[in-house]
Amino acid sequence: AQKVTQAQTEISVVEKEDVTLDCVYETRDTTYYLFWYKQPPSGELVFLIRRNSFDEQNEISGRYSWNFQKSTSSFNFTITASQVVDSAVYFCALSGMNTGFQKLVFGTGTRLLVSP
Amino acid sequence: DSGVTQTPKHLITATGQRVTLRCSPRSGDLSVYWYQQSLDQGLQFLIHYYNGEERAKGNILERFSAQQFPDLHSELNLSSLELGDSALYFCASSSEVLAGVDTQYFGPGTRLTVL
Repeated sequence: AQKVTQAQTEISVVEKEDVTLDCVYETRDTTYYLFWYKQPPSGELVFLIRRNSFDEQNEISGRYSWNFQKSTSSFNFTITASQVVDSAVYFCALSGMNTGFQKLVFGTGTRLLVSP
Repeated sequence: DSGVTQTPKHLITATGQRVTLRCSPRSGDLSVYWYQQSLDQGLQFLIHYYNGEERAKGNILERFSAQQFPDLHSELNLSSLELGDSALYFCASSSEVLAGVDTQYFGPGTRLTVL
């Protein structure tokens, strides 16, 4: 079975602080993909990043960075110098070979509140 | 804007009724997925269609059905509605299913309220 755990329900920070959102996953698949999506207050789900199980390189995109560690089954997301516009619910998701990569298994999400 | 459109944006109806949610995928995408987001269940995969054919089913109730039409738009039909069906229903699309995973891009969702 596949499972994604986001243990942090809600995080509150002040603007310009760095914040890390944790994601731990479980899967028996040897080939799988990990994703992060953002759900702002307006409600839509916005794709942020996709990572496959064979690529453990960290990735940086502007203020966003991702740390993928297969040894600890984690795919953590860091926002540097957070801004009010980063306030949203962030979801980590997993897609595996055993389900034909056809469904995303989501974590419960982490609500990030950035105050001015 | 992901390029995936969903209508209507909001839907309010009564228990026992039937509704249809509509989704148009991104231009060129052959795959359409439906997800339900509720407070108690979180984000759950419902069903996947590829080029008109059902490919995978998740936790979809028998009262729910979906189809994908030749023009690739999809409809999710919910019948005999119950209070617990109140949720945000997302449609997503991707371009490829046979060659492995492709990123799913989500529409803005349809918020269904059953009174």
